[in-house]
Amino acid sequence: YELTQPPSVSVSPGQTARITCSGDVLPQKLAFWYQQKSGRAPVLIIYEDNKRPSGIPERFSGSSSGTTVTLTISGAQVDDEADYYCFSTDISGLGVFGTGTQVTV
Amino acid sequence: EVQLVESGGILVQPGGSLRLSCVASGFTFSNYAMNWVRQAPGKGLEWISYINSGGSAIDYADSVKGRFAMSRDNAKDSLYLQMNNLRADDTAVYYCARVYKQGIPAADFWGQGTPVTVSS
Repeated sequence: YELTQPPSVSVSPGQTARITCSGDVLPQKLAFWYQQKSGRAPVLIIYEDNKRPSGIPERFSGSSSGTTVTLTISGAQVDDEADYYCFSTDISGLGVFGTGTQVTV
Repeated sequence: EVQLVESGGILVQPGGSLRLSCVASGFTFSNYAMNWVRQAPGKGLEWISYINSGGSAIDYADSVKGRFAMSRDNAKDSLYLQMNNLRADDTAVYYCARVYKQGIPAADFWGQGTPVTVSS
């Protein structure tokens, strides 16, 4: 089972970046998003499709529609430059990460 | 503060074995399921295993099933990954991660990782 993301997204500071994640089982499973900066461990930024953990800025939001989930960064900042990964489970409940998207601001 | 500290990563020859450890602090370890996740050099994240809070249910990715064994010792707040018959493509940074809700292997906190290199 695969979760497909675009390899890269580029956005100007202050503009909106959208990162998609597509998978056949996504309509039946919850999605999560992680941010990973260079040389660092991943950080959870969206859970259960559209919820933000405490301490995550409001400019990060998640949405879901059919077989695609989307991470939106509204008013992107230079500090948001990182790799972003979606995560969900396959039909058996095993974990699967998306292919990852490098965001350039 | 939640802390997860991995150890045990080294250079090992193909076919060899290795045991990784992860010590947890800052939360009640026995209440949480845990994951191991790895990342090969320059590559993406790969979920490899999950264990429930009591250690009675364990899942593995196909890439490691039959070669890796995950376990935990709640009395020691510790998580383990026994890796056998290692291959070059097992070379990666290995992260232990706390699962946010039992039954769904999504992590909310991660350690800093321990590097494993499989090479002759």
